[in-house]
Amino acid sequence: AQSVSQHNHHVILSEAASLELGCNYSYGGTVNLFWYVQYPGQHLQLLLKYFSGDPLVKGIKGFEAEFIKSKFSFNLRKPSVQWSDTAEYFCAVTGGYSGGGADGLTFGKGTHLIIQP
Amino acid sequence: DVKVTQSSRYLVKRTGEKVFLECVQDMDHENMFWYRQDPGLGLRLIYFSYDVKMKEKGDIPEGYSVSREKKERFSLILESASTNQTSMYLCASNPGGRVTEAFFGQGTRLTVV
Repeated sequence: AQSVSQHNHHVILSEAASLELGCNYSYGGTVNLFWYVQYPGQHLQLLLKYFSGDPLVKGIKGFEAEFIKSKFSFNLRKPSVQWSDTAEYFCAVTGGYSGGGADGLTFGKGTHLIIQP
Repeated sequence: DVKVTQSSRYLVKRTGEKVFLECVQDMDHENMFWYRQDPGLGLRLIYFSYDVKMKEKGDIPEGYSVSREKKERFSLILESASTNQTSMYLCASNPGGRVTEAFFGQGTRLTVV
């Protein structure tokens, strides 16, 4: 079975600090990778995604992630965080289930990010 | 914008009750999913459906069933609710074909007492 590992469960940073959240996955084949964000009281939103091509992908709100195939990693980065980035962040990868082309996503356990003013 | 709507934001049910969680999407998506979200465990896939009347078990299907009678609607059923099913339940959909991102509803926080 596929698995996703997020290195940090809780991260506390000050505003303007740089952010890097680690994500590693176990599947060795072709993957689709995602980062989702969940702001307090809101639904999960897509932050960015990687399907193919340039391994450095840019998402919304100044976030970016780099796919490193040799390391099975897809780390999320932001050069300067803001208080409004306080949220739960989830890394996800295609689940690899068979049947009709539908694939459920396999999620990591999440990283709770707190930005202090 | 894609809209995935879950019928309830909060539910409180008694142990042993039969519980229905409803989800509707308005973008004619092929695939629909039910996840549960628990602190420290992330999101875990319960069931998914790639077509009307079709369903597949996810990682944690025990104690749950699903129904998809219409393309836009996907229901999660707890046949006999138990306290360990207290959780946040998230419905999602995607268009189908090649894997694309999933679009999520607001979630239903279910408490079983």
